[in-house]
Amino acid sequence: NAGVMQNPRHLVRRRGQEARLRCSPMKGHSHVYWYRQLPEEGLKFMVYLQKENIIDESGMPKERFSAEFPKEGPSILRIQQVVRGDSAAYFCASSPGAAGGRYEQYFGPGTRLTVT
Amino acid sequence: AQSVTQLDSHVSVSEGTPVLLRCNYSSSYSPSLFWYVQHPNKGLQLLLKYTSAATLVKGINGFEAEFKKSETSFHLTKPSAHMSDAAEYFCVVSDLGRGKLIFGQGTELSVKP
Repeated sequence: NAGVMQNPRHLVRRRGQEARLRCSPMKGHSHVYWYRQLPEEGLKFMVYLQKENIIDESGMPKERFSAEFPKEGPSILRIQQVVRGDSAAYFCASSPGAAGGRYEQYFGPGTRLTVT
Repeated sequence: AQSVTQLDSHVSVSEGTPVLLRCNYSSSYSPSLFWYVQHPNKGLQLLLKYTSAATLVKGINGFEAEFKKSETSFHLTKPSAHMSDAAEYFCVVSDLGRGKLIFGQGTELSVKP
């Protein structure tokens, strides 16, 4: 059973470009979470999605950031018009359910975004 | 609201000596608590979890943690450190009913030969 897959592993973008980060959850998992890790900091929650639905986006910046998890295909985190402050590691996690948070989340290897 | 505080940003031990990484939590509910480990430039791996069953939780690689409600603590321990234990460790609480995880700031563990 393959784990959570993320691609690309490393992404370099110039200021003003768009970044698209992909996450394929573990087989049988329908819940996806995105977290951001800034340098020297812990992970911060961004968004929680189920298939075709955004459940909680309380951690998403109000502008330039969006996320989707379509019926078919991976979850996508999209950052428009990137700025240097977007440079971070972005982690995706999946779980088989939410169940009040009692399921553990399985993390992917992360995408390291560098904005030049 | 749930939160966790990791009391040490960096811990250094010698190989073969015990490890103690401290974590206090704040929660209005009976919390679900986790410890994750992150090796350099890698993803996160679950070490262990507490979900209101036994208060002493055993995890992988010889780690264990004890849930103490009276002290609101969930400290991570290991009897004997190994060089491969050098990594960043995160204490995590689940935001019950909302699915998301809330991370502590992390503790960097160094292991000296």
